[in-house]
Amino acid sequence: DGGITQSPKYLFRKEGQNVTLSCEQNLNHDAMYWYRQDPGQGLRLIYYSQIVNDFQKGDIAEGYSVSREKKESFPLTVTSAQKNPTAFYLCASSRDIANTGELFFGEGSRLTVL
Amino acid sequence: GQQVMQIPQYQHVQEGEDFTTYCNSSTTLSNIQWYKQRPGGHPVFLIQLVKSGEVKKQKRLTFQFGEAKKNSSLHITATQTTDVGTYFCAGQAGTALIFGKGTTLSVSS
Repeated sequence: DGGITQSPKYLFRKEGQNVTLSCEQNLNHDAMYWYRQDPGQGLRLIYYSQIVNDFQKGDIAEGYSVSREKKESFPLTVTSAQKNPTAFYLCASSRDIANTGELFFGEGSRLTVL
Repeated sequence: GQQVMQIPQYQHVQEGEDFTTYCNSSTTLSNIQWYKQRPGGHPVFLIQLVKSGEVKKQKRLTFQFGEAKKNSSLHITATQTTDVGTYFCAGQAGTALIFGKGTTLSVSS
Protein backbone atom coordinates (compact mmCIF):
# COMPACT_ATOMS: atom_id res chain seq x y z
CA ASP A 1 0.00 0.00 0.00
CA GLY A 2 1.22 3.51 -0.78
CA GLY A 3 1.62 5.89 2.06
CA ILE A 4 3.83 7.67 4.55
CA THR A 5 5.64 5.90 7.34
CA GLN A 6 6.87 7.75 10.39
CA SER A 7 9.05 6.27 13.10
CA PRO A 8 9.29 5.98 15.96
CA LYS A 9 5.70 6.43 17.06
CA TYR A 10 6.73 7.37 20.59
CA LEU A 11 10.07 8.75 21.68
CA PHE A 12 11.46 9.92 24.98
CA ARG A 13 14.49 12.16 25.16
CA LYS A 14 16.56 13.69 27.87
CA GLU A 15 17.17 17.40 27.79
CA GLY A 16 20.23 18.32 25.76
CA GLN A 17 19.98 15.36 23.38
CA ASN A 18 19.34 15.56 19.67
CA VAL A 19 16.79 13.18 18.21
CA THR A 20 15.94 12.30 14.60
CA LEU A 21 12.45 11.44 13.42
CA SER A 22 12.13 9.35 10.30
CA CYS A 23 9.67 9.96 7.45
CA GLU A 24 9.49 7.77 4.36
CA GLN A 25 6.95 7.93 1.51
CA ASN A 26 6.33 5.62 -1.44
CA LEU A 27 3.79 7.85 -3.17
CA ASN A 28 6.38 9.30 -5.58
CA HIS A 29 5.53 12.78 -4.29
CA ASP A 30 7.91 15.65 -4.88
CA ALA A 31 6.89 17.76 -1.88
CA MET A 32 7.30 16.79 1.76
CA TYR A 33 6.55 18.66 4.96
CA TRP A 34 7.04 18.57 8.70
CA TYR A 35 4.38 19.97 11.00
CA ARG A 36 4.33 20.31 14.75
CA GLN A 37 1.05 19.93 16.63
CA ASP A 38 0.46 21.16 20.17
CA PRO A 39 -2.92 21.08 21.96
CA GLY A 40 -5.07 23.98 20.81
CA GLN A 41 -2.41 25.23 18.37
CA GLY A 42 -3.30 23.45 15.20
CA LEU A 43 -0.53 22.41 12.83
CA ARG A 44 2.49 24.66 12.49
CA LEU A 45 4.92 24.26 9.62
CA ILE A 46 8.53 23.50 10.54
CA TYR A 47 10.20 22.76 7.19
CA TYR A 48 9.16 21.78 3.71
CA SER A 49 10.95 20.46 0.65
CA GLN A 50 9.93 20.75 -2.98
CA ILE A 51 12.63 18.58 -4.49
CA VAL A 52 15.65 16.52 -3.52
CA ASN A 53 18.50 18.49 -1.94
CA ASP A 54 16.29 21.53 -1.42
CA PHE A 55 14.27 22.58 1.60
CA GLN A 56 12.79 25.75 3.06
CA LYS A 57 12.11 26.97 6.57
CA GLY A 58 8.54 27.17 7.74
CA ASP A 59 7.11 29.30 10.53
CA ILE A 60 8.86 27.57 13.44
CA ALA A 61 12.16 26.22 12.07
CA GLU A 62 14.38 27.33 14.96
CA GLY A 63 15.92 24.37 16.77
CA TYR A 64 15.14 21.92 13.96
CA SER A 65 17.07 20.64 10.95
CA VAL A 66 16.15 18.50 7.95
CA SER A 67 17.72 16.82 4.95
CA ARG A 68 16.32 15.59 1.63
CA GLU A 69 18.94 13.32 0.10
CA LYS A 70 16.37 11.02 -1.44
CA LYS A 71 12.93 11.71 -2.86
CA GLU A 72 11.38 9.17 -0.53
CA SER A 73 12.93 10.38 2.70
CA PHE A 74 12.68 13.59 4.74
CA PRO A 75 14.08 13.10 8.26
CA LEU A 76 13.67 15.76 10.95
CA THR A 77 16.24 16.35 13.67
CA VAL A 78 15.07 18.02 16.85
CA THR A 79 18.19 19.60 18.28
CA SER A 80 19.03 20.58 21.83
CA ALA A 81 18.48 24.20 20.74
CA GLN A 82 14.73 23.61 20.52
CA LYS A 83 13.50 25.01 23.82
CA ASN A 84 10.18 23.20 24.04
CA PRO A 85 10.40 20.05 21.92
CA THR A 86 7.66 17.99 23.57
CA ALA A 87 4.98 17.73 20.87
CA PHE A 88 3.31 15.59 18.24
CA TYR A 89 5.22 15.70 14.94
CA LEU A 90 3.50 15.02 11.64
CA CYS A 91 5.14 14.39 8.31
CA ALA A 92 3.18 14.91 5.11
CA SER A 93 3.64 14.80 1.36
CA SER A 94 1.91 16.11 -1.75
CA ARG A 95 2.49 15.80 -5.48
CA ASP A 96 4.05 19.23 -5.68
CA ILE A 97 4.16 22.60 -3.96
CA ALA A 98 2.81 24.99 -6.60
CA ASN A 99 -0.63 23.42 -6.66
CA THR A 100 -0.42 21.64 -3.36
CA GLY A 101 -3.50 19.46 -3.60
CA GLU A 102 -4.16 16.85 -0.99
CA LEU A 103 -1.66 16.37 1.82
CA PHE A 104 -1.09 12.80 2.88
CA PHE A 105 -0.05 12.52 6.52
CA GLY A 106 1.87 9.89 8.39
CA GLU A 107 0.61 8.61 11.72
CA GLY A 108 2.87 10.95 13.64
CA SER A 109 5.68 10.75 16.17
CA ARG A 110 5.04 11.82 19.73
CA LEU A 111 8.19 13.20 21.36
CA THR A 112 8.43 13.69 25.11
CA VAL A 113 11.40 15.39 26.72
CA LEU A 114 12.03 14.20 30.26
CA GLY B 1 2.49 36.80 7.51
CA GLN B 2 -0.50 34.89 6.32
CA GLN B 3 -2.92 33.86 9.05
CA VAL B 4 -5.86 31.52 9.02
CA MET B 5 -8.33 31.92 11.86
CA GLN B 6 -10.86 29.24 12.70
CA ILE B 7 -13.85 29.40 15.03
CA PRO B 8 -15.15 28.10 17.30
CA GLN B 9 -12.28 26.29 19.00
CA TYR B 10 -14.64 23.77 20.61
CA GLN B 11 -18.23 22.76 19.96
CA HIS B 12 -20.37 20.23 21.77
CA VAL B 13 -23.66 19.10 20.24
CA GLN B 14 -26.32 16.52 20.84
CA GLU B 15 -26.51 13.81 18.25
CA GLY B 16 -28.79 14.96 15.45
CA GLU B 17 -27.98 18.66 15.82
CA ASP B 18 -26.17 20.59 13.13
CA PHE B 19 -22.60 21.88 13.38
CA THR B 20 -20.70 24.61 11.56
CA THR B 21 -17.07 25.71 11.70
CA TYR B 22 -15.78 28.88 10.07
CA CYS B 23 -12.42 29.77 8.62
CA ASN B 24 -11.10 33.25 7.77
CA SER B 25 -7.88 34.22 6.08
CA SER B 26 -6.03 37.52 6.27
CA THR B 27 -5.14 37.19 2.58
CA THR B 28 -6.84 35.97 -0.59
CA LEU B 29 -6.39 32.25 -1.03
CA SER B 30 -5.73 30.25 -4.18
CA ASN B 31 -7.47 27.29 -2.58
CA ILE B 32 -8.65 26.00 0.76
CA GLN B 33 -8.66 22.48 2.07
CA TRP B 34 -10.44 20.77 4.94
CA TYR B 35 -9.10 17.94 7.07
CA LYS B 36 -10.50 15.79 9.86
CA GLN B 37 -8.41 14.39 12.69
CA ARG B 38 -9.95 11.73 14.89
CA PRO B 39 -8.80 11.59 18.53
CA GLY B 40 -5.36 10.00 18.64
CA GLY B 41 -5.09 9.98 14.85
CA HIS B 42 -3.61 12.01 12.05
CA PRO B 43 -5.30 14.55 9.75
CA VAL B 44 -7.17 13.08 6.81
CA PHE B 45 -8.05 15.11 3.74
CA LEU B 46 -11.74 15.82 3.20
CA ILE B 47 -11.95 18.25 0.30
CA GLN B 48 -10.35 21.10 -1.63
CA LEU B 49 -12.18 24.22 -2.83
CA VAL B 50 -10.68 26.35 -5.57
CA LYS B 51 -13.32 28.57 -7.17
CA SER B 52 -14.87 31.70 -5.74
CA GLY B 53 -18.29 30.93 -4.25
CA GLU B 54 -17.80 27.19 -4.66
CA VAL B 55 -20.08 24.84 -2.72
CA LYS B 56 -19.41 21.12 -2.45
CA LYS B 57 -21.30 18.41 -0.62
CA GLN B 58 -20.23 15.07 0.76
CA LYS B 59 -23.26 13.29 2.21
CA ARG B 60 -24.09 15.30 5.37
CA LEU B 61 -21.10 17.66 4.96
CA THR B 62 -21.36 20.94 3.03
CA PHE B 63 -18.29 23.02 2.25
CA GLN B 64 -18.34 26.61 1.03
CA PHE B 65 -15.66 28.95 -0.28
CA GLY B 66 -16.42 32.65 -0.03
CA GLU B 67 -16.80 34.98 -2.99
CA ALA B 68 -13.66 36.88 -2.02
CA LYS B 69 -11.75 33.61 -1.48
CA LYS B 70 -10.88 34.67 2.05
CA ASN B 71 -13.32 32.60 4.06
CA SER B 72 -14.80 29.14 4.12
CA SER B 73 -17.17 27.03 6.18
CA LEU B 74 -17.92 23.42 6.88
CA HIS B 75 -21.47 22.49 7.87
CA ILE B 76 -22.50 19.08 9.14
CA THR B 77 -26.19 18.24 9.11
CA ALA B 78 -27.62 15.93 11.77
CA THR B 79 -24.36 15.06 13.50
CA GLN B 80 -23.53 11.51 14.43
CA THR B 81 -21.09 10.16 17.02
CA THR B 82 -18.79 9.20 14.15
CA ASP B 83 -18.34 12.91 13.38
CA VAL B 84 -16.31 13.40 16.57
CA GLY B 85 -12.86 14.87 15.98
CA THR B 86 -11.03 18.06 15.11
CA TYR B 87 -11.75 19.76 11.80
CA PHE B 88 -9.00 21.89 10.27
CA CYS B 89 -9.10 24.29 7.40
CA ALA B 90 -5.87 24.94 5.51
CA GLY B 91 -5.40 27.82 3.13
CA GLN B 92 -2.86 28.26 0.39
CA ALA B 93 -1.76 31.73 -0.68
CA GLY B 94 1.81 30.96 -1.71
CA THR B 95 3.72 27.76 -1.36
CA ALA B 96 2.90 25.62 1.67
CA LEU B 97 -0.51 25.36 3.30
CA ILE B 98 -1.25 27.31 6.47
CA PHE B 99 -3.55 25.52 8.89
CA GLY B 100 -6.14 27.02 11.18
CA LYS B 101 -6.09 25.93 14.83
CA GLY B 102 -9.04 23.64 14.28
CA THR B 103 -12.50 23.13 15.76
CA THR B 104 -12.92 20.16 18.07
CA LEU B 105 -16.36 18.62 17.83
CA SER B 106 -17.80 16.41 20.52
CA VAL B 107 -21.15 14.68 20.13
CA SER B 108 -23.28 13.17 22.87
CA SER B 109 -25.90 10.55 22.13
